[in-house]
Amino acid sequence: DAGITQSPRHKVTETGTPVTLRCHQTENHRYMYWYRQDPGHGLRLIHYSYGVKDTDKGEVSDGYSVSRSKTEDFLLTLESATSSQTSVYFCAISESLSDYTFGSGTRLTVV
Amino acid sequence: QKEVEQNSGPLSVPEGAIASLNCTYSDRVSQSFFWYRQYSGKSPELIMSIYSNGDKEDGRFTAQLNKASQYVSLLIRDSQPSDSATYLCAVTTGSGGSYIPTFGRGTSLIVHP
Repeated sequence: DAGITQSPRHKVTETGTPVTLRCHQTENHRYMYWYRQDPGHGLRLIHYSYGVKDTDKGEVSDGYSVSRSKTEDFLLTLESATSSQTSVYFCAISESLSDYTFGSGTRLTVV
Repeated sequence: QKEVEQNSGPLSVPEGAIASLNCTYSDRVSQSFFWYRQYSGKSPELIMSIYSNGDKEDGRFTAQLNKASQYVSLLIRDSQPSDSATYLCAVTTGSGGSYIPTFGRGTSLIVHP
């Protein structure tokens, strides 16, 4: 997917455990984003980053934190996973309006 | 709250027909408009972008924008079964900043042979 990799691809975790999802890019794009996609809700922005150590909240940021210590890596952490955080998580990167590219997604199940 | 509305469908069309997908948006200052295609179990991929009123054609795809009516559409000519997917409309406000689009919930398109 155009130099963007998400890991893991699938994860099952227990309620209350911390979980970290990783997004890695080789495009040197400035902007990186984390979305979740749920039936009936479409894509919703969790957090985004506009540079190293520069991040901001999206519309559904409660229960999630992010970090970006290098241009190429953007981490999403669920501090204490809940069943409502069962979802498909997509990372995206962009440098301009026309090159918004998504990763392959991580399917997270919280049991 | 910026809103982007799409009919969830499914929209079912026969092979070879024109599929018309519609999207309305609430923010009058929106400037950039995108259509993404998402196959089941896959990630969204950008197929069209449009920035000014009128039509923009790319192969079998035509994007249409009417800012006065706050309406953007995607036409797919000569629809093929391989076009069966969910189509997401996305709208961005402003030409600078963080380039964050607001996505609609998507319209499911089924092209039957």
